[in-house]
Parts: sequence; structure tokens; C-alpha cells
Amino acid sequence: DAGVIQSPRHEVTEMGQEVTLRCKPISGHNSLFWYRQTMMRGLELLIYFNNNVPIDDSGMPEDRFSAKMPNASFSTLKIQPSEPRDSAVYFCASSSAAGGADTEAFFGQGTRLTVV
Amino acid sequence: AQSVTQLGSHVSVSEGALVLLRCNYSSSVPPYLFWYVQYPNQGLQLLLKYTTGATLVKGINGFEAEFKKSETSFHLTKPSAHMSDAAEYFCAVQAGGADGLTFGKGTHLIIQP
Repeated sequence: DAGVIQSPRHEVTEMGQEVTLRCKPISGHNSLFWYRQTMMRGLELLIYFNNNVPIDDSGMPEDRFSAKMPNASFSTLKIQPSEPRDSAVYFCASSSAAGGADTEAFFGQGTRLTVV
Repeated sequence: AQSVTQLGSHVSVSEGALVLLRCNYSSSVPPYLFWYVQYPNQGLQLLLKYTTGATLVKGINGFEAEFKKSETSFHLTKPSAHMSDAAEYFCAVQAGGADGLTFGKGTHLIIQP
């Protein structure tokens, strides 16, 4: 398996524009997580899905952020409108168990977002 | 709610010396604990994890960690540092394996030749 695939790897956009980040989880995994990494705040969980259903979105910073998982093999994180403080590295991760001792989250390479 | 504290944002050791990265956690339920490593411009890679059973867990690249419930700690060690160990290390806690991970701020490990 190719692992968790995120696109694009780098995104530079102007303030006010819409940004869409994409994630393809590992085939067979039923949990998907979106994290944000910044120097100031470290790694933060934004939202996670189990079986394509959003379970906890309490980490989503504002209404400008939204996430969807239309099927088991694809998820998007959208920021509209984007602001310079949204600049960060966004990671997607997936795991094969919604609980249990075998749980392990596999991370994608991340999308580095710069909003100017 | 869960939280993780990693003592020392930067740790420097000589090549061949013992590596000790400290992690303390807080959890309202029996925790699952993880150590991840991140190399520059890369995603996170799992080093090791504790879920249940033996409290001393061994991971990849010669790392190990011991879960100490009484001290709420999960420190990461490696007997002999190698130059390739230079990276950012993150400790994380998960509530029973069903939720997302709560990460510490990370420790940047520097290996001196």
C-alpha cells in the first residue's frame, strides 16, 4: 500500500481564497484524522471520522474550516476564506480500528499551506 | 481530557551516549501512549506504543519506553545514540484507542559527533 496520500504537498494562496486539502487514507482503514502543526501550537487534532462519519470536530478552529468524507477512500479539508494565520502543515492520518490494542495511526506527508 | 508534557524542547547528546526523552501525561481513562518521530519535511512515524500488558515496550531503531502509572510517565530511551536519530520526537496519548491523539509539544533531539 502506498500509505496515506495527501495533496497537494505545498499550497500558496492569497488571503481570502478558498483552499482545499485532500487525503486518501490507507485502504481498509475506517478512521481518518486531520491534524494541524504550527510552531506555536504544535500538533492539534482538528477533526476525525469513523466509518466516514464525523465523530469529533471540536478542534476545528472556526466556521471557516470544514471537512468531509464522502466515501471510505477520500476526505477533504476546506478553508474558506483563508487567512494568514491558517499557515501551517496539515496532516491526515488513518487507522484500522476505532479502538483496541492494535490501533496505530499512519500519517501522510502533510500539506504545507502558506497564506499570503 | 488528556494532556502531554514533554520536558525539554531541545535535547543534545553525544553520538554513542544514552538518549532520554521525557514524557508525562494526564488522562481521565486508562491511556494508550505513543512515541512518534518526525524527520524534516516528513510525516510522523510510529516508534512504539503502549496499550495494555507489559509496561516496557520496545520499538524500532533500538528505542524503548516504560509506562509508569504511578509517575504518569512514558519516557523514551535508547542506549546509544546514532547520528541518524537526530529528529523531532513526539509523545502522544489516546483515550482507550478510540479517539484522536493528543500530542506533546515535541523534543528536538540533537546528536553531537
